Amino acid sequence: DIQMTQSPSSLSASVGDRVTITCRASQGITNYLAWYQQIPGNVPKLLIFDTSTLQSGVPSRFSGSGSGTDFTLTISSLQPEDVATYYCQSYNSGTWTFGQGTKVEIK
Amino acid sequence: QVQLVESGGGVVQPGGSLRLSCTASGFAFMSYGMYWVRQAPGKGLEWVAFIRFDGSYEYYADSVKGRFTISRDNSKNTVYLQMSSLTTEDTAVYYCAKDWFYESGHYLDYWGQGTLVTVSS
Repeated sequence: DIQMTQSPSSLSASVGDRVTITCRASQGITNYLAWYQQIPGNVPKLLIFDTSTLQSGVPSRFSGSGSGTDFTLTISSLQPEDVATYYCQSYNSGTWTFGQGTKVEIK
Repeated sequence: QVQLVESGGGVVQPGGSLRLSCTASGFAFMSYGMYWVRQAPGKGLEWVAFIRFDGSYEYYADSVKGRFTISRDNSKNTVYLQMSSLTTEDTAVYYCAKDWFYESGHYLDYWGQGTLVTVSS
């Protein structure tokens, strides 16, 4: 089975900072990679799918990139409302795998 | 607007069974695959099961294979998760979610509020 490893597990950054979260797959997953945001007390929300396609209504400060086994989620200018845990998710032949999550806080 | 409402959670003893339901509205339910995903207290997300739009295929995580069964009734806009041989490791909030199929990839674009399952003696 494919394993998805996110780094870092947590980070603290200032408002306006550029934030990057990495997700590494244990084997190549084409571009079937999504990112979700879970604000404390809320349900997960789809931010990006197909590696880099922004879900409707998601602010443009969020972006995704990568290929093969290495993928990134970037927040270009961190805002207070971005405090959340972020998860990557892969799909491969009838198996869905989430990363362990990255908790983002404001410094 | 898309709504997914889970029900059926509660407290169950180890070894017991429980059936969760998720009723959908606001979209053409019979045209979309559906998921169950769980989140143990203070932990991350774990995919549990997926069922194709017509019920013809089901996929399960290894951790629940042989114990859980996903099914759907398109006439009732409802997806189910039958859980048996429950252990304390199954304690979690269980979410149902709608499939978004794009360029051969599958993603989860709408989520319910979740229902809590607690396995405890």
